[in-house]
Amino acid sequence: NAGVTQTPKFQVLKTGQSMTLQCAQDMNHEYMSWYRQDPGMGLRLIHYSVGAGITDQGEVPNGYNVSRSTTEDFPLRLLSAAPSQTSVYFCASRPKQGFSYEQYFGPGTRLTVT
Amino acid sequence: GEDVEQSLFLSVREGDSSVINCTYTDSSSTYLYWYKQEPGAGLQLLTYIFSNMDMKQDQRLTVLLNKKDKHLSLRIADTQTGDSAIYFCAGPSGNTPLVFGKGTRLSVIA
Repeated sequence: NAGVTQTPKFQVLKTGQSMTLQCAQDMNHEYMSWYRQDPGMGLRLIHYSVGAGITDQGEVPNGYNVSRSTTEDFPLRLLSAAPSQTSVYFCASRPKQGFSYEQYFGPGTRLTVT
Repeated sequence: GEDVEQSLFLSVREGDSSVINCTYTDSSSTYLYWYKQEPGAGLQLLTYIFSNMDMKQDQRLTVLLNKKDKHLSLRIADTQTGDSAIYFCAGPSGNTPLVFGKGTRLSVIA
């Protein structure tokens, strides 16, 4: 298994540009989520999904969209990038059943918005 | 929902014990977790404790849980330079993903 994969690893955007951060998992996990990590702020939940076709907002959803058309993929879209969205983005997944300690993280995407 | 708090920095000498503390608010949390993040990497599960346990030991790691005070701690015995990382306390919040503390940056001085 590749686990949770994220692309790209690094990205630089100009203010106002849009882009999609990709996340995929091959473990057939129902739950997937996106976090952002900023210095001194820990990980903050952006959006999450409990299954294909179902998404919900987390703590900091503004400026981001998600969709979950398949179990494997959970892309995060930045609609109009702003410097405040400069951050490291982590995707995570876990199975619906079983112990929730089985949450797996991707390696992260480092995004800079100028 | 869950709120998790932890101190931001800890510095220890190599060979000493490190103790990282965390407080949480959701008394219904069934599991509490410690994740480790090394520089430039994602988060990896370090250890976890079930809420009906007071203590869990795993090699150099000891997790203590005080449910009455909603306090969780992670003790690393014989701390090594390779233990330098950010350590996150985390707890579940219903059916939503894990809620993380801000992370404690552990620096180990040789």
